Amino acid sequence: RKEVEQDPGPFNVPEGATVAFNCTYSNSASQSFFWYRQDCRKEPKLLMSVYSSGNEDGRFTAQLNRASQYISLLIRDSKLSDSATYLCVVLPMLSSGSARQLTFGSGTQLTVLP
Amino acid sequence: DAGVTQSPTHLIKTRGQHVTLRCSPISGHKSVSWYQQVLGQGPQFIFQYYEKEERGRGNFPDRFSARQFPNYSSELNVNALLLGDSALYLCASSYTGTPNEQFFGPGTRLTVL
Repeated sequence: RKEVEQDPGPFNVPEGATVAFNCTYSNSASQSFFWYRQDCRKEPKLLMSVYSSGNEDGRFTAQLNRASQYISLLIRDSKLSDSATYLCVVLPMLSSGSARQLTFGSGTQLTVLP
Repeated sequence: DAGVTQSPTHLIKTRGQHVTLRCSPISGHKSVSWYQQVLGQGPQFIFQYYEKEERGRGNFPDRFSARQFPNYSSELNVNALLLGDSALYLCASSYTGTPNEQFFGPGTRLTVL
């Protein structure tokens, strides 16, 4: 089982639509969670951190359910510029001898259509 | 300020060859991490260096090695290249070793023929 699993998509939605991405993680001791955005052939960029209480940044809302080990990202009023791959990222709890390293899902591809 | 820079941008090698990839972190950042991103997958952690010492290593064979220099720049070396090493190699820097404060460079796209 992968440490971080995402629906690969692709998701093709019209402008203005609301779209939701889901992600599950296997390490219950994980302590930090993020959504990254990656444009085609570019580097990943941090979109937002995910907090237990849920958090919102403009049209983007992220939620975390620790009991279910589940993370979500909601995008409202989709724009053409939202077209990208969205990567779910988990930072596992530090274990002896291990570096704290970001663990990425495979990403969900979103295309917003005019 | 300049972001993380990587060189070269693209590289084509043949099986069995050796490759060296270079990374310059953001000014003031002391930690560099390397990731491999195969097409259709998320980045996978290879190495982290902080203050010129290896802090961690991912599940990669010994053909992969890295080092960090006194100016905090870093090199990733891959020996005996395999077709499966074809990927985007990403470097990320942070001030401390904290991964959640990392900034990624544009990557080096390696193709092994």
